[in-house]
Amino acid sequence: IQLTQSPSSLSASVGDRVTITCRASQGISSFLAWYQQKPGKAPKLLIYAASTLQSGVPSRFSGSGSGTDFTLTISSLQPEDFATYYCQQLNSYPLYTFGQGTKLEIK
Amino acid sequence: EVQLVQSGAEVKKPGESLKISCQGSGYSFTSYWIGWVRQMPGKGLEWMGNIYPGDSDTGYSPSFQGQVTISADKSITTAYLQWSSLKASDTAIYYCARRRQRTIEGFDIWGQGTMVTVSS
Repeated sequence: IQLTQSPSSLSASVGDRVTITCRASQGISSFLAWYQQKPGKAPKLLIYAASTLQSGVPSRFSGSGSGTDFTLTISSLQPEDFATYYCQQLNSYPLYTFGQGTKLEIK
Repeated sequence: EVQLVQSGAEVKKPGESLKISCQGSGYSFTSYWIGWVRQMPGKGLEWMGNIYPGDSDTGYSPSFQGQVTISADKSITTAYLQWSSLKASDTAIYYCARRRQRTIEGFDIWGQGTMVTVSS
C-alpha cells in the first residue's frame, strides 16, 4: 500500500487554517495515524484511527477520512506547529508504510 | 515514566557489523510491539519492521528483509536492530517506537534515535 501526501510543502502564517491530505493506493479503513516531526527530534503521534486525538495533543489538530482519503487539519496555526507531518497506514502488516511527508513552513 | 532509550551514535566502516539497542521502561515490555524506522539524511520516515518481545514474533518490510535482523531480550527489556555487513547507504538515524496494544492506535512512544554513520 502506498501513501501519497499533498502538498509536499506548504507555507502558511500563524493563525491560518491548514489542511494536509493523505491518499492510500487501496482502502485501509481507518487504520491511519498522523505524526509531527520537528528538526532533530523523534516523530510524535498526533492522531490515530484516522480521527482520534492522541492524549495531550492540542484540539486545534483534527483528522478525518476513511478508506483511501484522509486529511489532517490544523485549525489555527501556532508557531510551534511548523514542522514536517507524516501519515502512516497500519492496515497492511508487516509493512506499515509512511507517506513522504509534508513540510509546513512559516510564510 | 514510559520511555524508550536508544544506544548512542555509531561510526562504522563498510563491511563491519553493528547492533543498536532500544531499552523500554515504565511499562510491560513484553506486551507491546516495538517497531524500527529509518530516516536517511534529509529524507522521510521508512518502516523497517517490528518485533513482539513477548514471543519474539517479527515482521519485516520487504525492503529490509534479509538486510537487517530485529531481536529482543525481554529479560533486560531491550530490542535490537543489527546488521552483519554495513553499507554506506545504511547511514541514517534509526528510531524505535512502541505500538499501542491495538494496531489502529499507532506508535505512541518513540526513542530519541540512533545516528549510524558508515564511511570508509
